[in-house]
Amino acid sequence: SSELTQDPAVSVALGQTVRITCQGDSLRIFYASWYQQRPGQAPVLVIHGRNNRPSGIPDRFSGSSSGNTGSLTISGAQAEDEADYYCSSRDSSGNHLLFGGGTKLTVL
Amino acid sequence: QLQLQESGPGLVKPSETLSLTCSVSGGSISRNNYYWGWIRQPPGKGLEWIGSIYYSGNTEYNPSLKSRVTISVDTSKNQFSLRLRSVTAADTAVYYCARLPTAVTTQFIDYWGQGTLVIVSS
Repeated sequence: SSELTQDPAVSVALGQTVRITCQGDSLRIFYASWYQQRPGQAPVLVIHGRNNRPSGIPDRFSGSSSGNTGSLTISGAQAEDEADYYCSSRDSSGNHLLFGGGTKLTVL
Repeated sequence: QLQLQESGPGLVKPSETLSLTCSVSGGSISRNNYYWGWIRQPPGKGLEWIGSIYYSGNTEYNPSLKSRVTISVDTSKNQFSLRLRSVTAADTAVYYCARLPTAVTTQFIDYWGQGTLVIVSS
């Protein structure tokens, strides 16, 4: 498959938990990675692999996977988490990299 | 700390070739299990993978751009480069270079350049 599908926009109340999802056939084979992008900045890796957080990423960020869906969960969302979030994985052939269309997270 | 820095013209004329170089510092480009890639983002839009290269020279390209793209590596300079031919206004974007750790079940981007805006206009 050559597509990863994300909801365009999601909102969450301050301090609540939000899940951002990414669907694609390739996620049955490859793990999704997740990137946070604030306006005017380069993306930042927040989750990769089964559920790995790079150094400096708060532990309120976690990842999971089931079937063809990868998920990024933010437990106790903070105002600074308001950003665009992109998922990525290899495509089903394993020869190319895919990005989802991105999800704009609003923290209310 | 690994750092990546894009360089190249910020303005390219339609039908000409966009050329960018990524200089890598703080680590060797010749390490196993890392691809080095280019990603772009048109203004107000999402991320698009352009292609990647291994230090050995093995390349992977986005099928939608493959006919116009060449990515090369210069291990002696710790750099890799992008050439995109026959550009149009649709190629206007912020171009990022990046490092892509790669394993059997995953590939992700752990380091990004700051990005460089390339405008295609006459």
